[in-house]
Amino acid sequence: DAKTTQPTSMDCAEGRAANLPCNHSTISGNEYVYWYRQIHSQGPQYIIHGLKNNETNEMASLIITEDRKSSTLILPHATLRDTAVYYCIVRVRNDKIIFGKGTRLHILP
Amino acid sequence: SAVISQKPSRDICQRGTSLTIQCQVDSQVTMMFWYRQQPGQSLTLIATANQGSEATYESGFVIDKFPISRPNLTFSTLTVSNMSPEDSSIYLCSVRDSNYEQYFGPGTRLTVT
Repeated sequence: DAKTTQPTSMDCAEGRAANLPCNHSTISGNEYVYWYRQIHSQGPQYIIHGLKNNETNEMASLIITEDRKSSTLILPHATLRDTAVYYCIVRVRNDKIIFGKGTRLHILP
Repeated sequence: SAVISQKPSRDICQRGTSLTIQCQVDSQVTMMFWYRQQPGQSLTLIATANQGSEATYESGFVIDKFPISRPNLTFSTLTVSNMSPEDSSIYLCSVRDSNYEQYFGPGTRLTVT
């Protein structure tokens, strides 16, 4: 079973920041939070991951709460190409990836 | 990041036949995996392809139906045997490198008629 809870779908206006929440209240101390996205008809694409600290890369920022029970993926300036299903995954780094249902993000023009 | 290619990209097959999907990665990787994505669903892990030994299957998947080979560190095949319309899915190869980062191939879209 997936260890995360995400909203089924979200809308965001183009050019605005998209904030995607994820709850992982049973996360263990050695488990990382990973985010992937799947654009229609493509394989999942890695976005970002973190353990405790907030992380930022060229695609997104990951904010993890101090108790690590939830996190937020932030796409700072959403474009139409960011329309996709976003998966929040919790795992030990050498463990297999189990996908939940993810959040379907619609970027509105 | 690892670059993964899959062949074929799509196929339409008759009920009762078998299809072998190939996965090639451009660098040696520690782990290779096969996933299935049924229409409108999330990805489900089928098995871990182990180099030089039998694959490790997840609950609900068996070797007779989904035989897997991994002859070296850059190549693996998944066969979907004795196909039925319920096997119509996207099949995805995935690899994990030595930094524990996991990447996915473009998928093979299979339709069984």
